[in-house]
Amino acid sequence: DAKTTQPPSMDCAEGRAANLPCNHSTISGNEYVYWYRQIHSQGPQYIIHGLKNNETNEMASLIITEDRKSSTLILPHATLRDTAVYYCIVRVGGNTGKLIFGQGTTLQVKP
Amino acid sequence: DTGVSQNPRHKITKRGQNVTFRCDPISEHNRLYWYRQTLGQGPEFLTYFQNEAQLEKSRLLSDRFSAERPKGSFSTLEIQRTEQGDSAMYLCASSSSPASLAGSRGLHEQYFGPGTRLTVT
Repeated sequence: DAKTTQPPSMDCAEGRAANLPCNHSTISGNEYVYWYRQIHSQGPQYIIHGLKNNETNEMASLIITEDRKSSTLILPHATLRDTAVYYCIVRVGGNTGKLIFGQGTTLQVKP
Repeated sequence: DTGVSQNPRHKITKRGQNVTFRCDPISEHNRLYWYRQTLGQGPEFLTYFQNEAQLEKSRLLSDRFSAERPKGSFSTLEIQRTEQGDSAMYLCASSSSPASLAGSRGLHEQYFGPGTRLTVT
């Protein structure tokens, strides 16, 4: 599975959009981009995933560049409850499914 | 609540003792994963089961660690002769496999439990 690079920390004002970047320059054609987050003292929580098209669900939007070497997770209206560590993971879809986590980005949403 | 549950939530033990953790996955999920997370780090994969078969083990899973899923439902993770370096959060996750959902794209997110925090003194 390809390696990902994320900034260690970011701040965002409550109510504003949070844009979390991820670089995955070695991604293969059959690898998907997944995002999980981990709120303090809880297990990780799935957010969204995509292959090459942009994706949106009730939690977030995922924008993947045309060359697929980077992506951005967008939380459109961040709340204090979105304060968490956000992990970007790439892996082959439909395989064994193990997730390889990096250190993620700690997002602090401030009032 | 029909999510993934783990017991106990916290365990304090003395070095050299054996400990066992339990994970109850979401009932219809046939895959079960164990991860370990130390402070400030992301979770690290330990092992996974599909039904009762243990299909992959990480090199992190030393011979003091053993995991079972005897009936393809709940799983246990045992650590023998605990060491201080075993202190961590042990996370369990479950998911379905691609073949078990007709018409799916074969992409299945993992649902994590709250974890068991182990402290070895």
